[in-house]
Amino acid sequence: GENVEQHPSTLSVQEGDSAVIKCTYSDSASNYFPWYKQELGKRPQLIIDIRSNVGEKKDQRIAVTLNKTAKHFSLHITETQPEDSAVYFCAASRTGNQFYFGTGTSLTVIP
Amino acid sequence: KAGVTQTPRYLIKTRGQQVTLSCSPISGHRSVSWYQQTPGQGLQFLFEYFSETQRNKGNFPGRFSGRQFSNSRSEMNVSTLELGDSALYLCASSPTSGYNEQFFGPGTRLTVL
Repeated sequence: GENVEQHPSTLSVQEGDSAVIKCTYSDSASNYFPWYKQELGKRPQLIIDIRSNVGEKKDQRIAVTLNKTAKHFSLHITETQPEDSAVYFCAASRTGNQFYFGTGTSLTVIP
Repeated sequence: KAGVTQTPRYLIKTRGQQVTLSCSPISGHRSVSWYQQTPGQGLQFLFEYFSETQRNKGNFPGRFSGRQFSNSRSEMNVSTLELGDSALYLCASSPTSGYNEQFFGPGTRLTVL
C-alpha cells in the first residue's frame, strides 16, 4: 500500500517568516494530494489540495508544489501568523476516498 | 447545513468489551470514511462506505468493522477491545466517493482500560 512520510515533525518559525513542510509518497499511482490543518482540540480541515496533472497551486499565503517524478510534494506558508499554529497533515490518494496521511507537523509561529 | 456529527464524544471501555461508534454525515453526502488518530501514527484509514457498500478498507484487523445505512449514517464497531485501540476515531463525509474534500467530524475519544 501507499506510504506517506512527512517532515519535519515539529517546526517553529518567527511571525512573518515562511514555513515549509515536505511529504514523500511511495505509490506512483497516487494522484490527489490534500493538506489538512488541525488546531488543538478541533477537527482536521482541508486548506489546499493538488492533483497530479498540476505542478503548483496557490491560495493567498498558502501554496503546494508537486514533483511527480521524485514523488514528493510540499506545503509553503508565507508571512506566517500566530493563527497558523496547528498540526498540518499531508495525504495521498489514488482511488475513492482512501487517503494515506503523513504523521503530521506541529507548526508553532512565535509572535 | 449542519456539519458531521459523531456520538458519543467520549467513551471508556475495558479490554475485551466491544464498542459501537456512530457518524452522521452532512446532509446529501453519501460517502463516509473512518480514521483512527493516535499521537504516534497520525491518521490511519479504516474504511470507506458509499451507498451502503464498503468501497475501501485499510490495514486493520477484522475486529474493526462498519456499516452504512440507507440515510448514509454510518456505524463503526470494534470487538474484543485492546489497550492499543485507545485513540480518537474520526469520521469524514464527502458528497461522492473519489477525490473530494473530506469534512471531518469532531471525533470520538475512546479509552480502553
